Amino acid sequence: AQKVTQAQTEISVVEKEDVTLDCVYETRDTTYYLFWYKQPPSGELVFLIRRNSFDEQNEISGRYSWNFQKSTSSFNFTITASQVVDSAVYFCALRGLVIQGAQKLVFGQGTRLTINP
Amino acid sequence: GAVVSQHPSRVICKSGTSVKIECRSLDFQATTMFWYRQFPKQSLMLMATSNEGSKATYEQGVEKDKFLINHASLTLSTLTVTSAHPEDSSFYICSARGALVLAGQPYEQYFGPGTRLTVT
Repeated sequence: AQKVTQAQTEISVVEKEDVTLDCVYETRDTTYYLFWYKQPPSGELVFLIRRNSFDEQNEISGRYSWNFQKSTSSFNFTITASQVVDSAVYFCALRGLVIQGAQKLVFGQGTRLTINP
Repeated sequence: GAVVSQHPSRVICKSGTSVKIECRSLDFQATTMFWYRQFPKQSLMLMATSNEGSKATYEQGVEKDKFLINHASLTLSTLTVTSAHPEDSSFYICSARGALVLAGQPYEQYFGPGTRLTVT
């Protein structure tokens, strides 16, 4: 069975601080995809990144960066120089190969991030 | 590209009535659609998966007679909450996935903006 754990339920930091959101996953699949989504107060899920299991390169996109470590089954997300607009709930998710019947995205419980001015 | 819309965005209904929520893929053909429910401060819970032209597959614990899902075309799926009760009040999110390569990735899944249902 697949499982995603986001142990941090809520995080609160002051603006301009760096913050890392943890994500640990479990799967028996050798090929899988990991995702991060942002859900602002409006409710709409915003896609941030997708990473496949064969690509362990870290990725940076502006103030966002992701650290994928297969050895520890983790896919952590760091926001550098946080801003108030980063306040949202962030979800980590996992999915196997669709052609192998893995239809569903498995979501973690989410981390509510609050950036205080 | 790859936009999913939902209508309505908010709906308030009286207990005992039925409510229909529409989910449309605006610029791609969605062979598979997913319906999620999200309670306050909780994660998304998958309710059902539907493939175009087929009956939906419901997750364990989801009443298929209460949450009717229709996926009659490649761009439209509907969720009808029948005989709604206050406990059905929630945020309902649909997601659509095409079979073709979109945005450089196969089987990409796109989410709608959600529908907030309040049953009084």
